Amino acid sequence: EAQVTQNPRYLITVTGKKLTVTCSQNMNHEYMSWYRQDPGLGLRQIYYSMNVEVTDKGDVPEGYKVSRKEKRNFPLILESPSPNQTSLYFCASITLGNRVGNSPLHFGNGTRLTVT
Amino acid sequence: AQTVTQSQPEMSVQEAETVTLSCTYDTSESDYYLFWYKQPPSRQMILVIRQEAYKQQNATENRFSVNFQKAAKSFSLKISDSQLGDAAMYFCASYNYGQNFVFGPGTRLSVLP
Repeated sequence: EAQVTQNPRYLITVTGKKLTVTCSQNMNHEYMSWYRQDPGLGLRQIYYSMNVEVTDKGDVPEGYKVSRKEKRNFPLILESPSPNQTSLYFCASITLGNRVGNSPLHFGNGTRLTVT
Repeated sequence: AQTVTQSQPEMSVQEAETVTLSCTYDTSESDYYLFWYKQPPSRQMILVIRQEAYKQQNATENRFSVNFQKAAKSFSLKISDSQLGDAAMYFCASYNYGQNFVFGPGTRLSVLP
């Protein structure tokens, strides 16, 4: 089954404790992306990647890191989490090989992060 | 830069009635795509409908249709015969080929029995 697998679904941590949210897709998609969702703001892009070893900042990259060492994986790293990073996070992927209209953005199930 | 605006934070509709959700966007590209995504309480993101900018015909998926006004950069979603299961957050999104997906702030739709 084609899917984007994101873990964990829920995470509670304390300020300053490094954490990683994993994202893996099994569709051989070139494009992967991380979003955070906050009330009234919609989904804002944190980082995206067009292919292996290629990453770019989105609209809200401060406080986050990513890596794309393999095509299928795109982990999101918070080196020193702060309470303002409490949010709902989504990983997503899409192929760039075909017309986008033929294949939508595939989302993971989301990670609810709370930083106290 | 792309922007997507949804001016209605919340809307409600009676069951079996029709409702229209508004979306406007701004892009300088000619090759782009527009989407409506639904997010029920399960928080899963579900694609509702998509529109390619070069197609003049409005997209339709069962009870869901769009009114795509390219010159006005408007992309509204019409839900006909509303059902209780349609209650959700709805996000409008645009995509410029090879660039980013940009989402609007969302519209929370309530369906009243």
